[in-house]
Amino acid sequence: DTAVSQTPKYLVTQMGNDKSIKCEQNLGHDTMYWYKQDSKKFLKIMFSYNNKELIINETVPNRFSPKSPDKAHLNLHINSLELGDSAVYFCASRLEQMPTGKLFFGSGTQLSVL
Amino acid sequence: GQQLNQSPQSMFIQEGEDVSMNCTSSSIFNTWLWYKQDPGEGPVLLIALYKAGELTSNGRLTAQFGITRKDSFLNISASIPSDVGIYFCAGQLVGWQGAQKLVFGQGTRLTINP
Repeated sequence: DTAVSQTPKYLVTQMGNDKSIKCEQNLGHDTMYWYKQDSKKFLKIMFSYNNKELIINETVPNRFSPKSPDKAHLNLHINSLELGDSAVYFCASRLEQMPTGKLFFGSGTQLSVL
Repeated sequence: GQQLNQSPQSMFIQEGEDVSMNCTSSSIFNTWLWYKQDPGEGPVLLIALYKAGELTSNGRLTAQFGITRKDSFLNISASIPSDVGIYFCAGQLVGWQGAQKLVFGQGTRLTINP
């Protein structure tokens, strides 16, 4: 069973479109994250939710809107996609009581904006 | 923002050789972690370090948390083909309202010649 699963794995779309990426974890974790990995493999945090509450919101354009319907799910909706949004987006999760830093990552969603 | 400087950016070695990589920061971190990313997958935790001066091993991997809390290194002994991948250091920060986030280094891409 996949612990942190993201869909879709690949997403190719035109500039200006709106798209969503979904993430689900079956680890019983209560904190979930979205990270963005650029073409140089640099990983940068975007958002974090703890028990459906937004707790981290880095400097991300407001075209990106995360939503957490419950603590096992964290989705990312992106409006008016731009070329610079092309990247791999990783979902991750952890349990609040676990030693700090032990994140479990999904296998990523490769977004290509044409 | 916080930045981790990881070096080297890439390594090309022969199978069986030992590998060493390190990470430095101008900021103090309370936790250092090392992750490995295989192609098409998300990062996977290798080693976590929680105390300044701590030296921890995981099989052929050894990592240390620097005394100043501003640096860490990872050593891999007797490399094998499956060690190929990108290795990331990460520092744990506690931000607003106790929200915890990881800041990642730029990665070290390891290539092994059989």
